[in-house]
Amino acid sequence: DQQVKQNSPSLSVQEGRISILNCDYTNSMFDYFLWYKKYPAEGPTFLISISSIKDKNEDGRFTVFLNKSAKHLSLHIVPSQPGDSAVYFCAASGLQTGANNLFFGTGTRLTVIP
Amino acid sequence: GAGVSQTPSNKVTEKGKYVELRCDPISGHTALYWYRQSLGQGPEFLIYFQGTGAADDSGLPNDRFFAVRPEGSVSTLKIQRTERGDSAVYLCASSLSGAMGTEAFFGQGTRLTVV
Repeated sequence: DQQVKQNSPSLSVQEGRISILNCDYTNSMFDYFLWYKKYPAEGPTFLISISSIKDKNEDGRFTVFLNKSAKHLSLHIVPSQPGDSAVYFCAASGLQTGANNLFFGTGTRLTVIP
Repeated sequence: GAGVSQTPSNKVTEKGKYVELRCDPISGHTALYWYRQSLGQGPEFLIYFQGTGAADDSGLPNDRFFAVRPEGSVSTLKIQRTERGDSAVYLCASSLSGAMGTEAFFGQGTRLTVV
């Protein structure tokens, strides 16, 4: 049972435009959410996170939005750059589900077209 | 090196054989995690060590899988009687404090192929 879902396997965006990656979750016990970026032949690298007490967290070009009632979060990248091309994973955890046990989505491959 | 190192980077083994996958965490990191990423899926939690002990092994799929970290640094993931379904990229991560979020760093993974 996939508790974290990324329904778009791929996304293509023009350089300079906004990229919006979406993620849905089913377990209401999740209270911490993260986005990871993965290049080929490398491990995932942490990008940005958000706690359930917030609805927005911003770091430079990256902003994560959390809608708890809809169990939905999104990652906005603006402006998108060719170097952003990678697979993006959404992940979630909770104290009651195991704080060190991250549940990952299946990933969205972002391609930023120069 | 400064990062998490995993060896080998690729491993091909025959069904039924035993394999060991090694993880060298970042020096000083007390927490170590193993994840498995099957084709087309996201990483899936296997086990978490705090120091030498397995604090959470709830993700190990069955008793063919075992992991050790005898001196609180290097960890070995051991798989007995490998099956084709074990084929995946095995990822290791480490962190200083035990928080999997902002502080955890992943290695590049070991791609295991069982033929």
